[in-house]
Amino acid sequence: KAGVTQTPRYLIKTRGQQVTLSCSPISGHRSVSWYQQTPGQGLQFLFEYFSETQRNKGNFPGRFSGRQFSNSRSEMNVSTLELGDSALYLCASSLATGRNSGANVLTFGAGSRLTVL
Amino acid sequence: SQKIEQNSEALNIQEGKTATLTCNYTNYSPAYLQWYRQDPGRGPVFLLLIRENEKEKRKERLKVTFDTTLKQSLFHITASQPADSATYLCAPPPEPGNTGKLIFGQGTTLQVKP
Repeated sequence: KAGVTQTPRYLIKTRGQQVTLSCSPISGHRSVSWYQQTPGQGLQFLFEYFSETQRNKGNFPGRFSGRQFSNSRSEMNVSTLELGDSALYLCASSLATGRNSGANVLTFGAGSRLTVL
Repeated sequence: SQKIEQNSEALNIQEGKTATLTCNYTNYSPAYLQWYRQDPGRGPVFLLLIRENEKEKRKERLKVTFDTTLKQSLFHITASQPADSATYLCAPPPEPGNTGKLIFGQGTTLQVKP
């Protein structure tokens, strides 16, 4: 079955602009999570959506937002870009029903590499 | 809140040796732990999940142990190869009430030299 698809793979923006990243999860997965990874840093949790609702949120400013559509596809948006937003943005999908451990295994996409100049 | 720690220093070993990576947790007792592998510039890939009642789990050259007394999980790669060079991440289950929020350790970078 198809994996998690993220678009675009690479993009360059300038400070002050905004960006929208897209994620198509594995068919049947209703949970989509987003992570930010900056050079030399670990995975920082941004937010998680389940059935079109934001269920969890990390410690990021309000410039970072997201949404999930009825087909489970998700987008994240970063407004008023700053240099520090340059990072690899990773999307992951899972069943995440909480009923068993296997449901929380994440399948990641290849990521969207954002460079802010 | 639950806290998970991985050795942030890179691990350098010679090809053919066994690599051992550590994941320590405090303030709670996870029902299971997940291990992932991440190559530079790519998303992590799930490797193994070990439950608290499983002392050991194997998959090919990989072995994971779970010691609830020491509050530690060890990840072993036997007969390591240069292709095993990557960053390895561990993750506990989401905290109660935060289903779907998976927090990863900082990861340990493994470098296998030929």
